[in-house]
Amino acid sequence: DSGVTQTPKHLITATGQRVTLRCSPRSGDLSVYWYQQSLDQGLQFLIQYYNGEERAKGNILERFSAQQFPDLHSELNLSSLELGDSALYFCASSVVSGGTFSGNTIYFGEGSWLTVV
Amino acid sequence: DQQVKQNSPSLSVQEGRISILNCDYTNSMFDYFLWYKKYPAEGPTFLISISSIKDKNEDGRFTVFLNKSAKHLSLHIVPSQPGDSAVYFCAAPDRGSTLGRLYFGRGTQLTVWP
Repeated sequence: DSGVTQTPKHLITATGQRVTLRCSPRSGDLSVYWYQQSLDQGLQFLIQYYNGEERAKGNILERFSAQQFPDLHSELNLSSLELGDSALYFCASSVVSGGTFSGNTIYFGEGSWLTVV
Repeated sequence: DQQVKQNSPSLSVQEGRISILNCDYTNSMFDYFLWYKKYPAEGPTFLISISSIKDKNEDGRFTVFLNKSAKHLSLHIVPSQPGDSAVYFCAAPDRGSTLGRLYFGRGTQLTVWP
């Protein structure tokens, strides 16, 4: 158990709809990252928040948005869903947002499976 | 554009033998590399890393080798065990912008059979 909690674990929705994925980081972690893993693809970085503020953006579509709340949990909002948005969405958290990188400072949740039909 | 590439989607190895997973990268600015392991229904977990100032890092049965001139790294697992069966991702952090943004390869599914 990484300590990062993601809900829901599975979600099936129709094209054109909107969904919200939720992430609770490990206790004390200020940074939250969202990644998307499509079929046969590696994890693609979407966005990072640090202590409530957006820190970096990656390959995130305009139909997607995210935020981090004062209690540090984060939500990823996906709207006008298309079939190609079907993917596994991972949230990760870490204590820091800068400084020396170490592989064991970032922890991933189990992911939220989104299926768009 | 895939800056980190794993060209073998799968690898099958007999228990006790060596598993070698390969990874190539294109961005010469990468100076730190990681391997993650992922079991079904779980998130990726950190396995081992290597800094570009080294060419080898060892942790128990796992060794990562880095060849900077070839922009290539490999993960060796010796001896392989059935519990090692998982998807292995190679990754590199984007040190130029934000800590934690990782570029991942597509992963290699390792199957270790008895």
